[in-house]
Amino acid sequence: QQQVKQSPQSLIVQKGGISIINCAYENTAFDYFPWYQQFPGKGPALLIAIRPDVSEKKEGRFTISFNKSAKQFSLHIMDSQPGDSATYFCAGAGGTSYGKLTFGQGTILTVHP
Amino acid sequence: SAVISQKPSRDICQRGTSLTIQCQVDSQVTMMFWYRQQPGQSLTLIATANQGSEATYESGFVIDKFPISRPNLTFSTLTVSNMSPEDSSIYLCSVLKISSYGYTFGSGTRLTVV
Repeated sequence: QQQVKQSPQSLIVQKGGISIINCAYENTAFDYFPWYQQFPGKGPALLIAIRPDVSEKKEGRFTISFNKSAKQFSLHIMDSQPGDSATYFCAGAGGTSYGKLTFGQGTILTVHP
Repeated sequence: SAVISQKPSRDICQRGTSLTIQCQVDSQVTMMFWYRQQPGQSLTLIATANQGSEATYESGFVIDKFPISRPNLTFSTLTVSNMSPEDSSIYLCSVLKISSYGYTFGSGTRLTVV
């Protein structure tokens, strides 16, 4: 199975700091890379997504950086807030896996006030 | 994006019994999926629910254990059969609208098998 490897497993950041989560993928046919945010007891919610034809996408405090040659992408959360404390999952989809999301292992983010 | 109603939200079941989980979407969607999320873990795809035909299962998942139905473009069910404590997980319905290439997840069914 084509994997998506995510790091770190957990991350602690002070309020106002920058949170950075990294992912690496294997399947070069992937053409859609979303990030999901999940709070306890809830389903994952789409945060931001990128396609490989751009190197960066920004929505508010959330930015995806994409490096196609390295097969890596990352999520940057600027001015992190305690309300951002959640589990974050990266994923990839496309090619023969069209329609099916392959998820990273998840990162538990804790933002201290 | 689509709005998903997933029922039940949680259940405690006896081993050896079966539970059917329902996923209702407020609009027609192209694809429907079922995922499993074990405690503290990531999401693993169980199967793709195909309208009017047998579901497509991922490696490690079989129809006898996880029968799936999708009678129309807005509804699907997942049954967890002959349950054991190892089946205790969160089961999530997900849908994809090709027009927007947007995936939406239901809030999940938290299943505990005792």
